[in-house]
Amino acid sequence: QQQVKQSPQSLIVQKGGISIINCAYENTAFDYFPWYQQFPGKGPALLIAIRPDVSEKKEGRFTISFNKSAKQFSLHIMDSQPGDSATYFCAASGGGFKTIFGAGTRLFVKA
Amino acid sequence: DVKVTQSSRYLVKRTGEKVFLECVQDMDHENMFWYRQDPGLGLRLIYFSYDVKMKEKGDIPEGYSVSREKKERFSLILESASTNQTSMYLCASSTWTGSSGNTIYFGEGSWLTVV
Repeated sequence: QQQVKQSPQSLIVQKGGISIINCAYENTAFDYFPWYQQFPGKGPALLIAIRPDVSEKKEGRFTISFNKSAKQFSLHIMDSQPGDSATYFCAASGGGFKTIFGAGTRLFVKA
Repeated sequence: DVKVTQSSRYLVKRTGEKVFLECVQDMDHENMFWYRQDPGLGLRLIYFSYDVKMKEKGDIPEGYSVSREKKERFSLILESASTNQTSMYLCASSTWTGSSGNTIYFGEGSWLTVV
């Protein structure tokens, strides 16, 4: 019940394309779903986050889509750029539970 | 800006050595964490602390201990390093900000190689 399953493990996208990373959770007590971005040699940093009372949140080229009934959420990166190449982690927390991270997705955007 | 500083970025230690990884945060956060990052396994929580002198085991505490004598400082200790502890270690801190959720701020990581 504590897992957050993330897919795919790695992703290669052409410049200008859409990158999509999916996550699924089991614990319905979770109420905060952040995405973290990690560049090589750096620690992860918060990219964007959503609460389950909305189905979508957009910040620039980054959008989280949230499906509460399916217990799934996804990150969409529109017009992907080589500078977006990084590892992305989804996460879930809330209900007294500590933050649980997905296994990560390595994104490579080809120029 | 929140800053989480890990004093050692790259370390090479011998099997059986005692290893200290130090971490300092400058935002007066109550919560501090030590994670281990390995390819394909994501971020695994080793230990965390909600207050000074308080510690709780995470998902993979075996072979590790921690110390939090001051609010801003959280140390990870490998009592007797083994080769399977070769990894990147991430320190992090957080505070509960209500509507913003529990944002976690990470350091840049400490790469430990045990030979």
